[in-house]
Amino acid sequence: SQTIHQWPATLVQPVGSPLSLECTVEGTSNPNLYWYRQAAGRGLQLLFYSVGIGQISSEVPQNLSASRPQDRQFILSSKKLLLSDSGFYLCAWSGQGGFQPQHFGDGTRLSIL
Amino acid sequence: QQPVQSPQAVILREGEDAVINCSSSKALYSVHWYRQKHGEAPVFLMILLKGGEQKGHDKISASFNEKKQQSSLYLTASQLSYSGTYFCGTDPNAGGTSYGKLTFGQGTILTVHP
Repeated sequence: SQTIHQWPATLVQPVGSPLSLECTVEGTSNPNLYWYRQAAGRGLQLLFYSVGIGQISSEVPQNLSASRPQDRQFILSSKKLLLSDSGFYLCAWSGQGGFQPQHFGDGTRLSIL
Repeated sequence: QQPVQSPQAVILREGEDAVINCSSSKALYSVHWYRQKHGEAPVFLMILLKGGEQKGHDKISASFNEKKQQSSLYLTASQLSYSGTYFCGTDPNAGGTSYGKLTFGQGTILTVHP
């Protein structure tokens, strides 16, 4: 069966520090991968999605970036974190093609001080 | 544009029914429904496609009204385990151009009491 791993579960970082969140998927190949951010009490905002290795599409201009160095690995990064980057970050995967359910990782709760 | 969910919150007693609506100002091709319990990741419930029939499993079902660009989620004979925040995610793209780029509503908080 397919599983998705996301780490760390919680992270406290100072303003201006770098960020690296990692997500890996097991049990499937060539998945679509997604990074979402969820502010407290709010909906899910799509940040990036990828349909293949090295292919990244950005949905929201910001100081975050994403990379997909391997088929089932998705990384969210920042060179300098802002206070507004605080939130709950979720990685998700789906099968290729349209109308596939998305399966979410357990998320990373990021607090910027 | 973000779809609008209504109501924002609903409180039920076990066994009661609820309807959650998701409306979009854009033409839709698919609507996804997810449930998220506090502090956890969202869990997929179902997908509805334009032109498709009503879907459901157990006592949770959903419909898609193309004319109104609206989907409704029906929870019947609610159980304590139904508590959580329900999100709809919408996609205006047909199968060949859909990469799963969903725009999510703001969520509906459902609380079921014994």
